[in-house]
Amino acid sequence: AQSVTQLGSHVSVSEGALVLLRCNYSSSVPPYLFWYVQYPNQGLQLLLKYTTGATLVKGINGFEAEFKKSETSFHLTKPSAHMSDAAEYFCAVSDSGLTGTASKLTFGTGTRLQVTL
Amino acid sequence: EPEVTQTPSHQVTQMGQEVILRCVPISNHLYFYWYRQILGQKVEFLVSFYNNEISEKSEIFDDQFSVERPDGSNFTLKIRSTKLEDSAMYFCASSVQGHTEAFFGQGTRLTVV
Repeated sequence: AQSVTQLGSHVSVSEGALVLLRCNYSSSVPPYLFWYVQYPNQGLQLLLKYTTGATLVKGINGFEAEFKKSETSFHLTKPSAHMSDAAEYFCAVSDSGLTGTASKLTFGTGTRLQVTL
Repeated sequence: EPEVTQTPSHQVTQMGQEVILRCVPISNHLYFYWYRQILGQKVEFLVSFYNNEISEKSEIFDDQFSVERPDGSNFTLKIRSTKLEDSAMYFCASSVQGHTEAFFGQGTRLTVV
């Protein structure tokens, strides 16, 4: 079974400050890891993903995340927060799957990011 | 840019009634999913669908739920007899392969009264 823990249901940063949203996962097989963002009253938009290869992955809107197997972590960062980054962020894990099988996503509880002036 | 579309965006129904939530996945995608998000809670997996059959379903997906791909484009979720606790945002998603990223629709907010 897979699980995701997101530490901090609410994070508040000042505009221009570093954003750090934490995600730890548990998986018995090599994981695929994702960060999704949800703006109010909207669906889930993929920010970035890790499958294999380079452990530092870059996504949209200046976000990046680093896969650290030894720490079972996949924290999301952005050097400088912008007001438009205010949203709910979800970390998710799936297994690497076999051809012909669908791999479900297991989500964390989400972190609401607030950006203040 | 291709996107997953869901209709309706909002549905209010009386307890005990049947509802059908509709989704049009991205056209070249082969794997389809339903997830739900109860207000204030995390997104939960309901069911995955591939090659015209269910691949996996969660404990939530009991006999009251069913999915169908009635034609080449639509993917539906039916709840036979809705309960108050079925009130949630329901998201449809699709992916090219089973393990690649899923693209989500905007969701259908279901309110059971």
